[in-house]
Amino acid sequence: EAQVTQNPRYLITVTGKKLTVTCSQNMNHEYMSWYRQDPGLGLRQIYYSMNVEVTDKGDVPEGYKVSRKEKRNFPLILESPSPNQTSLYFCASSWTSVSPYNEQFFGPGTRLTVL
Amino acid sequence: AQSVAQPEDQVNVAEGNPLTVKCTYSVSGNPYLFWYVQYPNRGLQFLLKYITGDNLVKGSYGFEAEFNKSQTSFHLKKPSALVSDSALYFCAVNYGNMLTFGGGTRLMVKP
Repeated sequence: EAQVTQNPRYLITVTGKKLTVTCSQNMNHEYMSWYRQDPGLGLRQIYYSMNVEVTDKGDVPEGYKVSRKEKRNFPLILESPSPNQTSLYFCASSWTSVSPYNEQFFGPGTRLTVL
Repeated sequence: AQSVAQPEDQVNVAEGNPLTVKCTYSVSGNPYLFWYVQYPNRGLQFLLKYITGDNLVKGSYGFEAEFNKSQTSFHLKKPSALVSDSALYFCAVNYGNMLTFGGGTRLMVKP
């Protein structure tokens, strides 16, 4: 089954404790992205990757890191989480980034709480 | 910079009635517009998109959207709402390598 998977689905942590949220897709997509969803703000793009070893900042990159060492994986790293990073996080992927209008496939989401 | 506005936080409609969820956008150049739907505890699912061509775009589950360049709008519509259409709907615009979303509109369809 074609899908985007994220782990963990739920995470409660404390301020300053480094964490990683994994994202994997099995569709051989070139483009991958991370979003956070907050009430009334919709989804905001954190980072995206056009292909392996190519990443770029989205609208809200502060406090986050990403890496793209393999085509299928795109982990999101919070090296020192803070309470304002409490949110619902989504990973997404799509076909070649040459076309700007390919629909994105979303993972199920990771609900993160930082105390 | 591009932006998307969904002026209604919630839309209420009776089952069987037509529904409209509004979206306006601001982007330089040609817009690539999308609608996504989010059901409870699920990720977003693609509904439809406008790239070019006909202003009326048809998508999944009987939804359609009307692109209006002069009003910079891309409203989502359905002729007859179902209770199962109740969900959170997001309009989005693709610009460059990024996707910008509106704040979302919760659609409530009552029996």
